Amino acid sequence: ILNVEQSPQSLHVQEGDSTNFTCSFPSSNFYALHWYRWETAKSPEALFVMTLNGDEKKKGRISATLNTKEGYSYLYIKGSQPEDSATYLCAFRNSGYALNFGKGTSLLVTP
Amino acid sequence: SQTIHQWPATLVQPVGSPLSLECTVEGTSNPNLYWYRQAAGRGLQLLFYSVGIGQISSEVPQNLSASRPQDRQFILSSKKLLLSDSGFYLCAWSVWGQSNQPQHFGDGTRLSIL
Repeated sequence: ILNVEQSPQSLHVQEGDSTNFTCSFPSSNFYALHWYRWETAKSPEALFVMTLNGDEKKKGRISATLNTKEGYSYLYIKGSQPEDSATYLCAFRNSGYALNFGKGTSLLVTP
Repeated sequence: SQTIHQWPATLVQPVGSPLSLECTVEGTSNPNLYWYRQAAGRGLQLLFYSVGIGQISSEVPQNLSASRPQDRQFILSSKKLLLSDSGFYLCAWSVWGQSNQPQHFGDGTRLSIL
């Protein structure tokens, strides 16, 4: 089992604030890094799959960066909205099929 | 469009009883299929994956087994449940042969063992 760490564990911000989370993963045998959003009472939803060092991806107000050499990825949310409240999961994949998930960052955005 | 169905949504079972959770995918052929578990206070852990009918790979030794009797059907089973089998179980699929595609998850099953 590969160690994937996410920080912070939880975050509480006001509507309109921008925020970011960190995902740390092993820097050897890198294949892909996934980000998912998991809202309460729903199934996890894929945000990004990142494969290249230096990659940046964007989806609306959410963006992510990837550094495979040092083993970290950042997820940014610009101008947080209450509907962004969810747990954000990252998952690291090496050469096999398994996705190794972190425990997630729980985000609460209040009006 | 593709959909994934997983049932039941919740299940309460006594220790030592059998288990069968079912997952089906629609709208795609020959998907990769996965079973995950989230135990209390822990991240999602891959239990099994399958790249084709009858092909099952286990990621961790455990009290559970998986089967894929049809292309888009994935079943998680146990002959005798343990207290440690409690948790939230998620089924997922991804496109076969395209290694950098995301996984798509079902709504999950909350399993409580008494």
